[in-house]
Amino acid sequence: KAGVTQTPRYLIKTRGQQVTLSCSPISGHRSVSWYQQTPGQGLQFLFEYFSETQRNKGNFPGRFSGRQFSNSRSEMNVSTLELGDSALYLCASMLDPRTDPKTQYFGPGTRLLVL
Amino acid sequence: LAKTTQPISMDSYEGQEVNITCSHNNIATNDYITWYQQFPSQGPRFIIQGYKTKVTNEVASLFIPADRKSSTLSLPRVSLSDTAVYYCLVAPTRDAGNMLTFGGGTRLMVKP
Repeated sequence: KAGVTQTPRYLIKTRGQQVTLSCSPISGHRSVSWYQQTPGQGLQFLFEYFSETQRNKGNFPGRFSGRQFSNSRSEMNVSTLELGDSALYLCASMLDPRTDPKTQYFGPGTRLLVL
Repeated sequence: LAKTTQPISMDSYEGQEVNITCSHNNIATNDYITWYQQFPSQGPRFIIQGYKTKVTNEVASLFIPADRKSSTLSLPRVSLSDTAVYYCLVAPTRDAGNMLTFGGGTRLMVKP
């Protein structure tokens, strides 16, 4: 079974621009979560989607948004990019968030550099 | 969400067994313990998960005492490629949602 895929793998943007990242979960997995990882803050939770609905949201500004499609694929968008948004953005998929154990499997990440 | 505490770093040599202990004093009844491995600029890789006693897979073993307030990840005969950051997490409960809270992890350095 193919793992979690994320596109693009690398991205360079300038301040003020917006960016859209894509994530395809493991086949059959219905939940997708997004995380931001930076050297200073470590791995931080952005949001989680299940059945096209946002279930949880981390402590990030409204410039960060996401959505999930009927095939469970997910996108996250960051508008009005700031230098501090430079990070590794990780997507994690889960089979079904309603049952235990909740095991999340991560993709390779998208490295975003904001200049 | 249960907080975890693990050593910041550890050194080992090739061929040795490495044990990384994590404490999670306020673990909830229906929480699971999960360990991930992460290499630089890559996503965390799931290693092992358990609820109690001992779990073993082809990569590692996980030991969990009866009180579940700690757990130990055991890596048998490590190689240079096991140099990575290892994260111990308490899997979120149904009520808390599915947000994973990562601590600082343990940076394992395997030397030749």
